[in-house]
Amino acid sequence: KQEVTQIPAALSVPEGENLVLNCSFTDSAIYNLQWFRQDPGKGLTSLLLIQSSQREQTSGRLNASLDKSSGRSTLYIAASQPGDSATYLCALGTSYGKLTFGQGTILTVHP
Amino acid sequence: GAVVSQHPSRVICKSGTSVKIECRSLDFQATTMFWYRQFPKQSLMLMATSNEGSKATYEQGVEKDKFLINHASLTLSTLTVTSAHPEDSSFYICSANLVRGQDYGYTFGSGTRLTVV
Repeated sequence: KQEVTQIPAALSVPEGENLVLNCSFTDSAIYNLQWFRQDPGKGLTSLLLIQSSQREQTSGRLNASLDKSSGRSTLYIAASQPGDSATYLCALGTSYGKLTFGQGTILTVHP
Repeated sequence: GAVVSQHPSRVICKSGTSVKIECRSLDFQATTMFWYRQFPKQSLMLMATSNEGSKATYEQGVEKDKFLINHASLTLSTLTVTSAHPEDSSFYICSANLVRGQDYGYTFGSGTRLTVV
């Protein structure tokens, strides 16, 4: 059974700082890995999707990497802004669409 | 892009009543939808997989008689919480996966906050 762990559980940083969120998983036979953002009381916004054959994906100030052999993924956020404050979730996907989520990292970027 | 519309966004109901949550795929056909539940300060947990025209597949520990799922068409899946109790209060959210050529992704509804009083 796939288990997903995210570290840290919460992170508070000053505006402008670069930061890294970590995600680890127990079963390396994954189909894909996705990072989501969730604002309080809201649904999920997809940030980056990395297919099993890929090593990283980039979108703007975000970069996600995937190392299947070590069971790890990182989400790098450059030049953080207060608007980046949210809960970040990593999820492992199967070929038929089922997602297993980590417990999330609550990010607070203060001005 | 592909959109899943989920309604209602919030609902408050009395204990013992039933609540229906709808998810509609607006510009694509969703043969499969996934229903997740999120308790406060916890992550999303898959409840069941909904397949158009067939019975849903429930995850271990999820009562299928309590959480009725219907996926009668390629654009609509519903989750009915029957005889709701305060412990059913949670955030429910649906998801569909998309395959378009080389692209693969997920789209989520906006979620339903259920409060049972």
